[in-house]
Amino acid sequence: EAGVTQSPTHLIKTRGQQATLRCSPISGHTSVYWYQQALGLGLQFLLWYDEGEERNRGNFPPRFSGRQFPNYSSELNVNALELEDSALYLCARIPPSWGFNYGYTFGSGTRLTVV
Amino acid sequence: GENVEQHPSTLSVQEGDSAVIKCTYSDSASNYFPWYKQELGKRPQLIIDIRSNVGEKKDQRIAVTLNKTAKHFSLHITETQPEDSAVYFCAANLISNFGNEKLTFGTGTRLTIIP
Repeated sequence: EAGVTQSPTHLIKTRGQQATLRCSPISGHTSVYWYQQALGLGLQFLLWYDEGEERNRGNFPPRFSGRQFPNYSSELNVNALELEDSALYLCARIPPSWGFNYGYTFGSGTRLTVV
Repeated sequence: GENVEQHPSTLSVQEGDSAVIKCTYSDSASNYFPWYKQELGKRPQLIIDIRSNVGEKKDQRIAVTLNKTAKHFSLHITETQPEDSAVYFCAANLISNFGNEKLTFGTGTRLTIIP
């Protein structure tokens, strides 16, 4: 199965700056999910996009936002960075018509460090 | 919303022995339950999943059982090996009007295999 590529792999920002994280598309996979994994913690749901529309968002402030492009690639934007935003950010894809048949394929992740 | 609880948070097992990780979920509509393995510094990888129409599934040394009445499911690893050392996450799908909306993850179990 085609892999999910995220860029950059590492990102260092200072508090108050903005970060942009990217997730590559997989042909035919219209949905993309974003998760935050803080150090030592589990996977917290951030955002879900499908067909270019935001379908749902987790319990995160509005400074976390994203978008999905016509080619189904996606960006996650984090504004006004805070130290606690330091985490591994993962995007995930599922095949279309999930139909209860498939789990996520995760990207390689972007490790964001806010100093 | 969906809530998934996972126990234990850490587990140490002698090489060759069995390991069991348990999860409970809250949404009775959930019908897809995957397990992910995350090695240090890597992305989560799907290792096994189960759907609500079966009670047990096995793949070589790993197996998953599901009790829909009690709303809990478990991961069983037999004949553990050092390469089984990792963090394991359970998950359950959340159903919405859009179909499968997202996966909700447990908090993870750090499994250490003692040689």
